[in-house]
Amino acid sequence: QKEVEQDPGPLSVPEGAIVSLNCTYSNSAFQYFMWYRQYSRKGPELLMYTYSSGNKEDGRFTAQVDKSSKYISLFIRDSQPSDSATYLCAGAEGAQKLVFGQGTRLTINP
Amino acid sequence: SAVISQKPSRDICQRGTSLTIQCQVDSQVTMMFWYRQQPGQSLTLIATANQGSEATYESGFVIDKFPISRPNLTFSTLTVSNMSPEDSSIYLCSVGLGVYEQYFGPGTRLTVT
Repeated sequence: QKEVEQDPGPLSVPEGAIVSLNCTYSNSAFQYFMWYRQYSRKGPELLMYTYSSGNKEDGRFTAQVDKSSKYISLFIRDSQPSDSATYLCAGAEGAQKLVFGQGTRLTINP
Repeated sequence: SAVISQKPSRDICQRGTSLTIQCQVDSQVTMMFWYRQQPGQSLTLIATANQGSEATYESGFVIDKFPISRPNLTFSTLTVSNMSPEDSSIYLCSVGLGVYEQYFGPGTRLTVT
């Protein structure tokens, strides 16, 4: 079993829709959770991070962590074609020891 | 954040040869990492590049296959040695800032024929 599981998609939604991206993890020691966005032929860019359980909002993006169910979510409101990318979730037990999910490929259709 | 560049951006290499990938950061950083991203797969950490000492390799990766240098706090190289088609992948360097934040370079796309 992989430590971080993520549905690879692809996921295709119309512009303006709310997007929900999800991951599950198995390592109870994870304390930090990150979402990265990766455009085609580019390196991943850090989108959001959270520590432990709870929600964090940044503009149109909301990251949610439920440690009791080992579930990580990223919500994108008012999705735009520029949001089309692969989204990777990651968990970390300690400093800089990131474990990534497979990534979900998202397409926002105009 | 940090600005990270990698050279080359892509290469096509013959089986049995070696390729050295360079990673340059615009500021001094303590922690640098090398990852591999195979098609449709997640990022897999190869090793942590330590300045002034040997790199720390993850399970499944060995120094003879992936020698790493870290001569200073802004530069590192990863060599993929004695390549086979299974080494075809994207190789990424990253730098660690703070406790958990990592910033990635654009990647090197390697094809081995």
